[in-house]
Amino acid sequence: DGGITQSPKYLFRKEGQNVTLSCEQNLNHDAMYWYRQDPGQGLRLIYYSQIVNDFQKGDIAEGYSVSREKKESFPLTVTSAQKNPTAFYLCASSLLGTTEQFFGPGTRLTVL
Amino acid sequence: ILNVEQSPQSLHVQEGDSTNFTCSFPSSNFYALHWYRWETAKSPEALFVMTLNGDEKKKGRISATLNTKEGYSYLYIKGSQPEDSATYLCACNAGNNRKLIWGLGTSLAVNP
Repeated sequence: DGGITQSPKYLFRKEGQNVTLSCEQNLNHDAMYWYRQDPGQGLRLIYYSQIVNDFQKGDIAEGYSVSREKKESFPLTVTSAQKNPTAFYLCASSLLGTTEQFFGPGTRLTVL
Repeated sequence: ILNVEQSPQSLHVQEGDSTNFTCSFPSSNFYALHWYRWETAKSPEALFVMTLNGDEKKKGRISATLNTKEGYSYLYIKGSQPEDSATYLCACNAGNNRKLIWGLGTSLAVNP
């Protein structure tokens, strides 16, 4: 089945450690996105990529890094510089030139 | 700063009731309005994408309308069923970069 996968579903890390969240899609979508959700807030865009080897900062990129070496993959690294990393992270993708986004199931990251 | 606001924040109805939610968004530089349904433990799922003033879309018992001049959209659910229980998210593409700006959602609980 075509879709977006995120792994793992739950992730625990110690404070000060970097952690990488996986996002893979087999929809042949050009654009991919990372969002963060916190209680009482709407989805906030962290990074997005419209083409391989290119990506742009979203509204809350500080403390995060991404790479887009393959069309299918857009991993997100939460670095130790991110002050409040505990959150729910959603990955999405879309066809270039369209606005409808397709979402993965999300990863809940807890930093202890 | 673009804001998308949704009301009510939460709603509890009885099976068979009809209900509606509101999404308000900036009307300037409008491009598209999206409705998503997000069930617990699942990925957000696109319901509608609307672009034209006066647009009306329907999917089964769910329909939506769009007023781009005054900046609002209504989502209607006719004869609510327990499986309609979810958070309904609204998002707007506007401005030069056309990124999605998300509302906080309306959480619907349908009691059998």
